[in-house]
Amino acid sequence: AQKITQTQPGMFVQEKEAVTLDCTYDTSDPSYGLFWYKQPSSGEMIFLIYQGSYDQQNATEGRYSLNFQKARKSANLVISASQLGDSAMYFCAMREAPMDTGRRALTFGSGTRLQVQP
Amino acid sequence: NAGVTQTPKFQVLKTGQSMTLQCAQDMNHNSMYWYRQDPGMGLRLIYYSASEGTTDKGEVPNGYNVSRLNKREFSLRLESAAPSQTSVYFCASSEMIATGELFFGEGSRLTVL
Repeated sequence: AQKITQTQPGMFVQEKEAVTLDCTYDTSDPSYGLFWYKQPSSGEMIFLIYQGSYDQQNATEGRYSLNFQKARKSANLVISASQLGDSAMYFCAMREAPMDTGRRALTFGSGTRLQVQP
Repeated sequence: NAGVTQTPKFQVLKTGQSMTLQCAQDMNHNSMYWYRQDPGMGLRLIYYSASEGTTDKGEVPNGYNVSRLNKREFSLRLESAAPSQTSVYFCASSEMIATGELFFGEGSRLTVL
C-alpha cells in the first residue's frame, strides 16, 4: 500500500489565488512527521513546512499552511496568494518512528506539478 | 554555506561500467541518505546511514552499495550500471533536532546507455 498518496498529478491556479495540494498518508505509528517540499524546474529540493503528529495546531510558514486532519490521515498544503514563482513540483513526505531512532528517512509521494498562470 | 555537495552533477555511463557518486555535508549531521528520483514516482530511498559507521537498505537497494566514509561523507557506488539505473540521484542529510527535515544536495543526473 502507498504510504503517501498525492492524487493530483497536475494543478493550475491563477496568480494571487489560493490553491490546495492534497496529500493522504498511511501509518500505524502514533508518532510521525509530515513534510512538504518544493522542487522548481532547476531541480533542488526546498523544505517548506512540517507538521508533527502530536501538534495541536496546523503548521504555517508565511504563505504556506498545512491543513492537518489526523482522523482522515490527510495533510494538505495550502498556498495563499499564488505567485508565478510558486510554479514547481510539490512533494508530500512522511517520517515514521520517533526522532530518537535511526529511522529518520522520509517516504515521499509522487508529487503534484503546480502551474501558476498570470 | 555549502550544505550538501554532490559530485558529479552529470554522468553518462555504458551498461556494465561502474561509478561512485560522492556526497559531503558540512552541517555536522549524523544521518545521511541516498534517494533516486524517477518521473512519476517521487523520491525513493536507496540506502541511508543513521550515524557514522552504520548503513541500512532502503526501498530500492539492489544494484547499489554505499560507504559512510566518515561523518561528513556518504558515497553511492554502482558496480555494474544498468539502463534501469538511469535517474536523478539525491543525497541528503538530517539531524535529530527540531523537525529533522532533510537537507538535499542539488542532485546528480545519471544516464546509463
